[in-house]
Amino acid sequence: DAMVIQNPRYQVTQFGKPVTLSCSQTLNHNVMYWYQQKSSQAPKLLFHYYDKDFNNEADTPDNFQSRRPNTSFCFLDIRSPGLGDAAMYLCATSSRDRGYEQYFGPGTRLTVT
Amino acid sequence: AQSVTQLGSHVSVSEGALVLLRCNYSSSVPPYLFWYVQYPNQGLQLLLKYTSAATLVKGINGFEAEFKKSETSFHLTKPSAHMSDAAEYFCAVSFTGNQFYFGTGTSLTVIP
Repeated sequence: DAMVIQNPRYQVTQFGKPVTLSCSQTLNHNVMYWYQQKSSQAPKLLFHYYDKDFNNEADTPDNFQSRRPNTSFCFLDIRSPGLGDAAMYLCATSSRDRGYEQYFGPGTRLTVT
Repeated sequence: AQSVTQLGSHVSVSEGALVLLRCNYSSSVPPYLFWYVQYPNQGLQLLLKYTSAATLVKGINGFEAEFKKSETSFHLTKPSAHMSDAAEYFCAVSFTGNQFYFGTGTSLTVIP
């Protein structure tokens, strides 16, 4: 089945130690998103790619970076994780051909020790 | 500013009772509207969407929502709640198709 895959599902990192979360999709969608979701809160958009064009939300900290080497893959890099970065990170995709509804991956829960 | 408001962060209903989750948006232009459900430690799953076709939208798991432009609302309903409906529900709007704005979510509890 076509889907959005996130690896790993659970990630533990140390304070200040860089970490990379990955997302892949088999839907061939042109838009990919990264969201941060803290407990009992709505997902907060960090950035999105429209094809190769990177769009950063104004309030996304510089500590967060992203790469999209091809249509299928997108990475979230946290350069120096702080305790406040512990959250669920959700990847999503969408396509103009599908009415722009978003398809979400299962998420990666990041713990910072 | 474009935004979406979900009234009621927690809703409890008895099993078999009507489910009503409220969503209002603020915009002069009708947006795309979505309802998503999220179970613990999982991603969001699309329940239904409105994209300027029929104002009454039917989704999965027996849910439906009605777009009311005059009230700028897109409330989610289900005639009879099931225990498996207990989850977090998010309303979302999009105006460009690229950026989505989520409501703060409503946690639904179903009482046996």
